[in-house]
Parts: sequence; C-alpha cells; structure tokens
Amino acid sequence: QVQLQQSGPGLVKPSQTLSLTCGISGDSVSSNTAGWNWIRQSPSRGLEWLGRTHYRSRWYNDYAPSVKSRVIISPDTSKNQFSLQLNSVTPEDTAVYYCARDQDVSIWTPFDYWGQGTLVTVSS
Amino acid sequence: AIQMTQSPSSLSASVGDRVTITCRASQDIRNNLGWYQQKPGKAPELLIYAASSLQSGVPSRFSGSRSGTYFTLTITSLQPEDFATYFCLQDNTYPWTFGQGTKVEIK
Repeated sequence: QVQLQQSGPGLVKPSQTLSLTCGISGDSVSSNTAGWNWIRQSPSRGLEWLGRTHYRSRWYNDYAPSVKSRVIISPDTSKNQFSLQLNSVTPEDTAVYYCARDQDVSIWTPFDYWGQGTLVTVSS
Repeated sequence: AIQMTQSPSSLSASVGDRVTITCRASQDIRNNLGWYQQKPGKAPELLIYAASSLQSGVPSRFSGSRSGTYFTLTITSLQPEDFATYFCLQDNTYPWTFGQGTKVEIK
C-alpha cells in the first residue's frame, strides 16, 4: 500500500520560499512507472496542478506555466521523498498543498494516491 | 491551457437517485480524463480513469463515459456516503487541469 506523508511549515511570509516535502512508502521516487506531483487547492483557484518529477532512465520535470518561473520540484533518492519549493510567494499562494502519485503500468492512472494535504498561509 | 467546464456546480439529490455530472473539454483530450471524489478536509480520491475505467475498490454504481469532448460521471443509486464534491481532471496535455467541481448535497 502506497502512502504519502507531507511535512513542512504552515505559515510563510510574503516574498519568501514555500518548502514542502512528501515522503513515500510502498513505492520508490525512482520508479520507472510512477510520477510524483504537487497540486494545490484554494477557494479562488480551485484545484491546480503545479508540476511533476519522474524518472525514466533520467529525471524529468514538468511545471505549470502559472508557476514555472518560481517552482522547483526535486527528488531525494536517499530519503525516498520529493519536495516542492515555490519562491517569491504572495498571499495568492495561500492554499492547501497536496502531493500525489501517477502511475503508468499497462494503463495510465492519474493521482491514485495523495498526501494528507498541508494548509500553507502566506502572511506577514 | 485546456479548460474543463464542469456542470452543474451543485445539485441536491436523495438517496437512491441517479446523478449525472458533466465535464466539457475545450479541445480534444481523447480518453484522458479522470473523476475524483472529495469530502471536507480530505484529499480527493480517484474514482474513474481513462474516461470509463473504474479504479480498484470503487463501487460499481460509479461509471464514466465519453462523447467527443463531453465526459459524464454517473452515480446510479446515490448512497449516503456519496454526498461530496466531484472533480474532473484532464491529463492529456500539460498543464493538467481540473474542473471547478460539483457539490452533491442531500435534498
């Protein structure tokens, strides 16, 4: 059974960097059949996919244009986890942030496992 | 980005009712659509992937279908645990995008 456990601060000051980590059990961040995503949810923006990292002989990253200039999603193979860094945050980045897995084994399955969610508030 | 227009935004229904929720994609996304259920304070849960494939463990009263760029989630006999918010997701083209959600409430 795959489990994703999120960690990170719930309060970030404007202009600073939001950093969250997603620990993986029951799968590997280096899996050749999985992708590791960050998604956020707010009343004003709804559910918004932020980006993804995945390994297919080498590491690939894909980001949503809305955050591409400010975001880094990176794997940590030694700890079997992946992280989100979002720079230069504003109050509009206040949201519940989720990590989630997608899988490509015989058939593509999007976001079949999710983290518990982290409410991040951007405020001074 | 591909826009997913979901309707209705909310509906009231009774236990045992048949419920239909629709998402329209702004361009062709083939069968690359998923449906999710979300309850308050919880992460979304995958119900349907590839437009019509039932995720393991999901009751068979949930089904999905496609007609062109229109996608439908049907709940054939609404149960008390089905009162929740439902979202569609297109995973055909980056950036992957969600519908705005349909809240299913008790009549």
